[in-house]
Amino acid sequence: AQTVTQSQPEMSVQEAETVTLSCTYDTSESDYYLFWYKQPPSRQMILVIRQEAYKQQNATENRFSVNFQKAAKSFSLKISDSQLGDAAMYFCAYRTYNNNDMRFGAGTRLTVKP
Amino acid sequence: EAGVAQSPRYKIIEKRQSVAFWCNPISGHATLYWYQQILGQGPKLLIQFQNNGVVDDSQLPKDRFSAERLKGVDSTLKIQPAKLEDSAVYLCASRPGTGAGGETQYFGPGTRLLVL
Repeated sequence: AQTVTQSQPEMSVQEAETVTLSCTYDTSESDYYLFWYKQPPSRQMILVIRQEAYKQQNATENRFSVNFQKAAKSFSLKISDSQLGDAAMYFCAYRTYNNNDMRFGAGTRLTVKP
Repeated sequence: EAGVAQSPRYKIIEKRQSVAFWCNPISGHATLYWYQQILGQGPKLLIQFQNNGVVDDSQLPKDRFSAERLKGVDSTLKIQPAKLEDSAVYLCASRPGTGAGGETQYFGPGTRLLVL
């Protein structure tokens, strides 16, 4: 079974600084998707960034970028120029191409200090 | 484009009572998911629909949980009877399934259930 591990229950960052959230996963598949979702307090979960496993190039979305290491099964999220609005729970998720079951990590709570 | 809608947003019931949640996915999204998110954990898939058919309900506690999507659009999730451990946020998500970005799931605001 595929599992997703987020080893950092909580992280904090100073406003305007950079922070990296870690995620590792376990799979025997070669084709899959990886996602980072953001869940602000009492608000709905929204997609931050996604990566297709066949792509070697790391995905970027404005201030958000990933470091995808397929051999190491690692998928970290880097947030540059952190803003107060980035404070939220961040979930790493995995899904194979054929299996519709999305597996989520336990989440990392990010605090942004002004 | 309207997002995934869910109601109610909050529900408090006593154990052994019944409760139902409603979800309206994004228009045109064929795939619909129900997740259970217990406090401090990531979402766990309960059931997945493709149009009005069930694709995966392997993690649905079928002795007390049921779900339907009769016309392939709206969906309801029911718990009968509820237990204390059912206290959680129930998330609905939908996915286009085709085209660029079709693998991305879009989530509703969730229904927060407290069982006393």
